[in-house]
Amino acid sequence: DAKTTQPNSMESNEEEPVHLPCNHSTISGTDYIHWYRQLPSQGPEYVIHGLTSNVNNRMASLAIAEDRKSSTLILHRATLRDAAVYYCILISGGSNYKLTFGKGTLLTVNP
Amino acid sequence: GAVVSQHPSRVICKSGTSVKIECRSLDFQATTMFWYRQFPKQSLMLMATSNEGSKATYEQGVEKDKFLINHASLTLSTLTVTSAHPEDSSFYICSARGQMNTEAFFGQGTRLTVV
Repeated sequence: DAKTTQPNSMESNEEEPVHLPCNHSTISGTDYIHWYRQLPSQGPEYVIHGLTSNVNNRMASLAIAEDRKSSTLILHRATLRDAAVYYCILISGGSNYKLTFGKGTLLTVNP
Repeated sequence: GAVVSQHPSRVICKSGTSVKIECRSLDFQATTMFWYRQFPKQSLMLMATSNEGSKATYEQGVEKDKFLINHASLTLSTLTVTSAHPEDSSFYICSARGQMNTEAFFGQGTRLTVV
């Protein structure tokens, strides 16, 4: 499985934007970049995914580098409810679909 | 997003007994389901992947006779922890993916405590 590298933790202030980085230098051409987040004592929640182009949805934006070796999850205005562990995961677009989690980034949002 | 319901959310059982956890996709057909275990302050560990109608594929180190997985329909998968012991106490989480989706959706998790 192609691996991802994320900072262990990040801190943000409420109402400010947050940029969560992810490095995936060994990404293959068919790998999708997925982001999930997990609030305490809950199952993970899907946030966003993309392949090559930047993506926006109601939760966040995903900026993908031109060489696809890195990506950034952008929360435009952090709230206290965004405090969670954020996971960047590569998923093959082929038949070998497997969803495995790394350590993720623990985001702390200060009031 | 799609909804995955996991039940029970919390269970306490005696050592030596078996516990069944259900995972249902409520508004889509789940061709693939995944089962995870998560210990405190750790990431999710994939236990097994199951495709509807076929045997589950277990990750290395996961005992298939201890963690029985059944994915008999497109909306239901079950995980049975057999002869549970205190070391099996953990947070178990399922997720499901439809054939047309690249994203997966997760259940709320089951907190298992074996006493």
